[in-house]
Amino acid sequence: KNEVEQSPQNLTAQEGEFITINCSYSVGISALHWLQQHPGGGIVSLFMLSSGKKKHGRLIATINIQEKHSSLHITASHPRDSAVYICAAAFYSGGGADGLTFGKGTHLIIQP
Amino acid sequence: DTEVTQTPKHLVMGMTNKKSLKCEQHMGHRAMYWYKQKAKKPPELMFVYSYEKLSINESVPSRFSPECPNSSLLNLHLHALQPEDSALYLCASSHRIAGGPLGELFFGEGSRLTVL
Repeated sequence: KNEVEQSPQNLTAQEGEFITINCSYSVGISALHWLQQHPGGGIVSLFMLSSGKKKHGRLIATINIQEKHSSLHITASHPRDSAVYICAAAFYSGGGADGLTFGKGTHLIIQP
Repeated sequence: DTEVTQTPKHLVMGMTNKKSLKCEQHMGHRAMYWYKQKAKKPPELMFVYSYEKLSINESVPSRFSPECPNSSLLNLHLHALQPEDSALYLCASSHRIAGGPLGELFFGEGSRLTVL
């Protein structure tokens, strides 16, 4: 069964702290996506990765294919990082990956 | 242009109405998606169009009817909806390699639907 587990569900931290959000998935995937959703709806793609590590500004995403685990890190967190962060997996189906299976999201609040 | 544009942003309709949600992208993506998101829940996949053909219908009720007139446009036709269908409807698009992985997904801002 295609499942994505994300932790923690809620995280409150002080400005400047190093943040880690974890994601694990059940079976083989073609890629793992990290997404950000601010209040009001729109979703922004942060990373798509199938191996190793990617960095963009203060955000770092890693994936361990053998352990079926990925992490999203935020360095020097800022109140504008407050959002819901969603891990989503593109699981293989008979004809290739179609659509994403989403984790339940991590609601992050960074306090000044 | 890296935008996915959804209209309308807000829609209120009665249970007997017929309405449509529209989605447009000009990034040359050949995969387009409809997701439904209830408050404080993750998005749920409804439909996937790959090269203008419906490839997944995740057991969505027939009162939701998707249409992909061309590679840039995706519609979701709504008829005889129920109050529990009130949600945020998100459209997304990505590159699609046949039989292979999805590319990065680009999401629209969503259409917030209220069914009275």
